[in-house]
This record gives sequence, structure tokens and C-alpha cells, in this order.
Amino acid sequence: EVQLVESGGGLVQPGGSLRLSCATSGFTFSTYTMNWVRQAPGKGLEWISYISSYGTGIYYTDSVKGRFTISRSNAQSSLYLQMSSLRAEDTAVYYCARAESNGEAFDIWGQGTMVTVSS
Amino acid sequence: SYELIQPLSVSVALGETARIPCGGNNIGIKHVHWYQEKPGQAPVLVIYRDSKRPSGIPERFSGSNSENTATLTISGAQAGDEADYYCQVWDSTTLVVFGGGTKLTVL
Repeated sequence: EVQLVESGGGLVQPGGSLRLSCATSGFTFSTYTMNWVRQAPGKGLEWISYISSYGTGIYYTDSVKGRFTISRSNAQSSLYLQMSSLRAEDTAVYYCARAESNGEAFDIWGQGTMVTVSS
Repeated sequence: SYELIQPLSVSVALGETARIPCGGNNIGIKHVHWYQEKPGQAPVLVIYRDSKRPSGIPERFSGSNSENTATLTISGAQAGDEADYYCQVWDSTTLVVFGGGTKLTVL
């Protein structure tokens, strides 16, 4: 069974840091591009970052550039998101999502991990 | 930056056909993907590349895309189809773009 399981969320103060992880199983992780998508409470989906299958291509939405870093370990079939200089507006459920074969649609999603930025 | 416009809500009578539009400039030249999100659950891909259904998605879900509007159609809507629906495209400048989401109510 294909699975994505996020972890690492929690309560953090403004300006703080957090590292999210996404453990995957049931597919050949190294052949898929991966993404992070978030959803603020009561709001819609917002894409935040993309990483190519071998990590050579990386993109971010403007609001997180310079603060968030996406990475992956194909040896451990895992995806990561290092978040720093966190702001209240970063409060959201963070999902990791696999992109299907042509890289555009997100065919598998994790269950999400909640990040709350508050003092 | 590229934008996708969806109505906040759409209502449909039980068993009837629901159509959820997603508007964007020349969206017809892009591939549109649709997600269903139920409360407390992760999004699920229901249509990709305009009109393809992933395995396990019922045939009553279909999609179309032309000119400035893509449409998700749910034929014979069921109570279990009540959810938020999001369209999504890839854009050369904004990369991944989601629509604002449409809440489908089955009456």
C-alpha cells in the first residue's frame, strides 16, 4: 500500500523553527517528484514547495522563500521541510504530496501535520 | 501570477448533476486536476489531466476543459459527494496554482 506519513508538527513561537518529515512506503520514492502543500484553518489549499526526484530541481512559493528549505533522502524514502523564521500566518496543516508520473497532479497525499505558530 | 476562480458554493439535488466551474485565462491550454476534500481528511485526486479518473474514482466523476473554463461534473450526485472541491494547474511563472475551492452541498 502506498503511504505518506507526516510528522514533526506542533506549537512553535513566532521566529522559531520546525522540521517536518514525510515517511513514504509502497512505491519507488526516488522516481517521483514530491511537494509540500498547506491549508490554513478554514482556508483553501496552498502549494508551498516542490522537489524533483533527485533533488536537483527545487521551487518555493514566494511567501516562504528564504525561510523554508525542502529536501529529500531517497535512501530513506523520506521528504523534509525545514521551516525557520516562522510567522503566525504559517499556521496550517502541512501535507506532503506525491506528483503522478507527468509531475503535475498530486495523486497521493499524507494525512497532514498541524503547525501552530503562536506565543 | 496565474489565478483560478471557483464559486464558493454549489448546490445540487440528490441524484442530479453537479457542475463545478474553474475559471482561468486560457485554462484550456493547460492540464487541470481536481481534488475532493472532506472535513478532517486529506485531499483526494478525483480527476487529472482534464478528464482522466484515477483508479477507484467512480465513473460519475468527469471533467472537461475548454477556453477559459474547466468543469468538474458529478452525475447522479450522492450524499457522500458533499465536500470541498479544488481545481489545480501548473503555470510557468506561479508553478502550482490551486483554485479557492468550492463547497458542494447535496440537498
